[in-house]
Amino acid sequence: RKEVEQDPGPFNVPEGATVAFNCTYSNSASQSFFWYRQDCRKEPKLLMSVYSSGNEDGRFTAQLNRASQYISLLIRDSKLSDSATYLCVVNIPGGSYIPTFGRGTSLIVHP
Amino acid sequence: NAGVTQTPKFRVLKTGQSMTLLCAQDMNHEYMYWYRQDPGMGLRLIHYSVGEGTTAKGEVPDGYNVSRLKKQNFLLGLESAAPSQTSVYFCASSQGDRGSYEQYFGPGTRLTVT
Repeated sequence: RKEVEQDPGPFNVPEGATVAFNCTYSNSASQSFFWYRQDCRKEPKLLMSVYSSGNEDGRFTAQLNRASQYISLLIRDSKLSDSATYLCVVNIPGGSYIPTFGRGTSLIVHP
Repeated sequence: NAGVTQTPKFRVLKTGQSMTLLCAQDMNHEYMYWYRQDPGMGLRLIHYSVGEGTTAKGEVPDGYNVSRLKKQNFLLGLESAAPSQTSVYFCASSQGDRGSYEQYFGPGTRLTVT
């Protein structure tokens, strides 16, 4: 079982829709959770960190559920420019805490 | 402030050739990482460094070596390239402290091994 799992999608939604992605992780001792955005053939960039109490940044809301070991990302009022791949990152304990990426979820927002 | 830069941006190698990828960061970050990304896969960690003079293996280290002689530079070497190493390579850096900080990525190196 992969340590960090995401549904690859693609999620195909119309503009204005609300869409949610989940990301599950297998190690209960994991610390620090993030969502990154990656555009085609570009480097990943931080979208938002995920805090225990949940956090919101404009149209984006991230939540952490430690009991069920998943993080989620909710995008409201989708824009064409939200089309990208969304990568979740979980820091897995090892010698140090190792950032471990999921395979990414592809989002396509159409007119 | 250039952030994280990678050299070269593209490279084609023949099987058995060697090369070094250079990553440089100007943010005084302690941690640096090398990842590879293949179609349909997420980023897989090759090697990482938690400070100058230190390196450690990641998830897929075989066939690669690294060095961190200066804090700002992290080099990735392929001693004898194989077609399976065709990939996009990303370097990243972060402030450190047990992975709780954001990673900043370079623009990537697209490597083809024929």
